[in-house]
Amino acid sequence: KAGVTQTPRYLIKTRGQQVTLSCSPISGHRSVSWYQQTPGQGLQFLFEYFSETQRNKGNFPGRFSGRQFSNSRSEMNVSTLELGDSALYLCASTLQESGRTEAFFGQGTRLTVV
Amino acid sequence: KQEVTQIPAALSVPEGENLVLNCSFTDSAIYNLQWFRQDPGKGLTSLLLIQSSQREQTSGRLNASLDKSSGRSTLYIAASQPGDSATYLCAVRGTGGFKTIFGAGTRLFVKA
Repeated sequence: KAGVTQTPRYLIKTRGQQVTLSCSPISGHRSVSWYQQTPGQGLQFLFEYFSETQRNKGNFPGRFSGRQFSNSRSEMNVSTLELGDSALYLCASTLQESGRTEAFFGQGTRLTVV
Repeated sequence: KQEVTQIPAALSVPEGENLVLNCSFTDSAIYNLQWFRQDPGKGLTSLLLIQSSQREQTSGRLNASLDKSSGRSTLYIAASQPGDSATYLCAVRGTGGFKTIFGAGTRLFVKA
């Protein structure tokens, strides 16, 4: 079974630009979560989608947004990039069955804003 | 608001030693707790998942325990190996919503 796939793996953008990151969950997983990881703040929750609906959101500005498609693939978008947005962005695919919720992570997208 | 703390922040041990990593959380209303391993610049690898109704889980040389009432979990690694060197993260999923809160991690270095 294929794991969680995130594309692209690396990205360099200029301040003020916008970026879209993609995440394909494990087949059959309907929940996708996004996290930002930086050396100073650690792993911080961005948002979670389940069946195309955002069901929770972290404390990030409105420049960060996401969506989920009918095939469970998800994208996150960051507009008006700032230097502080440089981070590893991780996507987690969650299996929810029989009350058991286990998250599986992709390899991440390393975003550098210059 | 859930807060997750991991102690120690870093640990260096000789190969073969048994070790314990600690994770504490402030809100005992949790759905589950998951331990992950992260190698530098990489994603997270799931090690063990403990549901709120469980007390422990084991996988190979790893054993994780959960004490909800005291807000603590421990990850026990037996007979450590240099390949165990990585950052270990615990993540708590609450019952009141679907947020998962991560600890800052314990960076482990096992010397050959």
